[in-house]
Amino acid sequence: GDSVTQMEGPVTLSEEAFLTINCTYTATGYPSLFWYVQYPGEGLQLLLKATKADDKGSNKGFEATYRKETTSFHLEKGSVQVSDSAVYFCALSDRKKAGTALIFGKGTTLSVSS
Amino acid sequence: EPEVTQTPSHQVTQMGQEVILRCVPISNHLYFYWYRQILGQKVEFLVSFYNNEISEKSEIFDDQFSVERPDGSNFTLKIRSTKLEDSAMYFCASSEGVRVAYEQYFGPGTRLTVT
Repeated sequence: GDSVTQMEGPVTLSEEAFLTINCTYTATGYPSLFWYVQYPGEGLQLLLKATKADDKGSNKGFEATYRKETTSFHLEKGSVQVSDSAVYFCALSDRKKAGTALIFGKGTTLSVSS
Repeated sequence: EPEVTQTPSHQVTQMGQEVILRCVPISNHLYFYWYRQILGQKVEFLVSFYNNEISEKSEIFDDQFSVERPDGSNFTLKIRSTKLEDSAMYFCASSEGVRVAYEQYFGPGTRLTVT
């Protein structure tokens, strides 16, 4: 079945450092790809999305590009802040089927210190 | 901005008891979902619901679980006879169902503790 693999955490960075969180996927169809963020004690928030190959999703300084040839959707940010400390989840769903499950990766914990 | 709401935020119950978790999806959304997240683990899909019936369910969603939309706004998850391993955070989500990306919007979750 479909699956998502994320790099193991935790990732510990200093403020203003560059962030990359790797995400690769396996899918039988042609999925939509998402990054969700979970701040401490809160629910999941959609951070960004991409629906087709070479699309770049971006939000709040974060970016991720849908790479079909490498089945990847790596999350990047040029300069992280302490407020970015959270758990980041990569996810996919079938782009042609409404109401279908989101398949999540295990999540990567990011800790940013000042 | 419209948001998904869930009640209660924390539910403690004894093993074998029935619990009902409640959600109010975003008002113009058509698809509703339940997910769970056992502490420290990944978020797992339970069930999706559309037009008053289950659209898709996972193998986790066995006979002890049921979902219902009892009125025009609420969406509930019932666990008939809770087990210790049902302790988790339960998230409700909803989506429009008409846009290509079908992004799902999540509520803040209900933490279920089974003792």
